[in-house]
Amino acid sequence: AQSVSQHNHHVILSEAASLELGCNYSYGGTVNLFWYVQYPGQHLQLLLKYFSGDPLVKGIKGFEAEFIKSKFSFNLRKPSVQWSDTAEYFCAVNPMNRDDKIIFGKGTRLHILP
Amino acid sequence: EPEVTQTPSHQVTQMGQEVILRCVPISNHLYFYWYRQILGQKVEFLVSFYNNEISEKSEIFDDQFSVERPDGSNFTLKIRSTKLEDSAMYFCASSGLAGPEQFFGPGTRLTVL
Repeated sequence: AQSVSQHNHHVILSEAASLELGCNYSYGGTVNLFWYVQYPGQHLQLLLKYFSGDPLVKGIKGFEAEFIKSKFSFNLRKPSVQWSDTAEYFCAVNPMNRDDKIIFGKGTRLHILP
Repeated sequence: EPEVTQTPSHQVTQMGQEVILRCVPISNHLYFYWYRQILGQKVEFLVSFYNNEISEKSEIFDDQFSVERPDGSNFTLKIRSTKLEDSAMYFCASSGLAGPEQFFGPGTRLTVL
């Protein structure tokens, strides 16, 4: 079955630390990849997406992610986090032959200490 | 910037009652979705809807659930007889022809007592 695995359930960092959140998916075909963010009390917002082309994609707020096809991975990175990055982050996959659903990972709760 | 809206933001109901959750997708979008997130768990796909019919549904979406696009703007999720385990945040999403990116609404928190 198709699935998305996020390696860390809860991450605590100090401001200015570097961040990397792991994401792996299981699907043999071509996929579209997403990272969504959910700030406290707010709804899901798209952070960045990969459809094709350069496997290193840049999103909003200084986030970036790298698609490594051979590893079925799409890790999220940010060189220097801020307190306002405290949120829950969801990796998600849309199999390209099934553009009618997105499969989400369980989410990683990120807490940034001021 | 256009956005998906959902009403109500919070619905409390008694077990066995019917609830209707409402969504207004982005106006030129053609694909509509419902997802749910039980507290502390991941976001789960429920159903997708295109061209006035269900295109896919998950095993969660049993006979107690139905969706409808009653007019040109609203997209509703009905739960016929709510159970305690239906308590969750329900998200509506929509996407257009430009690509598979789905835009999510703020969610409706359903509490079944």
